[in-house]
Amino acid sequence: DAKTTQPNSMESNEEEPVHLPCNHSTISGTDYIHWYRQLPSQGPEYVIHGLTSNVNNRMASLAIAEDRKSSTLILHRATLRDAAVYYCILRDHPNTDKLIFGTGTRLQVFP
Amino acid sequence: NAGVTQTPKFRVLKTGQSMTLLCAQDMNHEYMYWYRQDPGMGLRLIHYSVGEGTTAKGEVPDGYNVSRLKKQNFLLGLESAAPSQTSVYFCASSYSGQPHMNTEAFFGQGTRLTVV
Repeated sequence: DAKTTQPNSMESNEEEPVHLPCNHSTISGTDYIHWYRQLPSQGPEYVIHGLTSNVNNRMASLAIAEDRKSSTLILHRATLRDAAVYYCILRDHPNTDKLIFGTGTRLQVFP
Repeated sequence: NAGVTQTPKFRVLKTGQSMTLLCAQDMNHEYMYWYRQDPGMGLRLIHYSVGEGTTAKGEVPDGYNVSRLKKQNFLLGLESAAPSQTSVYFCASSYSGQPHMNTEAFFGQGTRLTVV
């Protein structure tokens, strides 16, 4: 399974944009890039996913490098509720059905 | 919709006891997963299932067994609990559709298990 590398922690101030990086240099052509986040004392929740093109939804944007070896989750205006651990995951559709989490990035948001 | 429901939410076991954790989903998802999360760490995949009657090993399967007799339920069993199995257990389910579709995984709220 291809691996992802994320910084252990990041900090942001409220209402500022946050860019969470993820390196996945061994990504294969069929790997989709998924992001989940885990709020304190809760189960993870889906944020966004993409293959090659940049993606936007109501929660965040996903910017994928042209060579697909890295990606960035963008929170346009951080709120206190965005403080969580963010996981970048590669999911190989449809060749494997595993969903393997790494250690993630702990985001702190300050008022 | 209840989504993914885990039972029980908390449990204390003595070493050597057995128990079964139940995960139920009402979204007609094919895929289901069991994870454990130790303090300050990420989630590790124990076992997973791609459909009724099928199971497969994940990253840390030793000491656990699973069964998927009904599509909506995924059971995680501990035959002889050990203190090393003290953890928070999460269940998840997802649709198996085409990758361009939204195949997000939905997680339960977790079961906090302590083995003494």
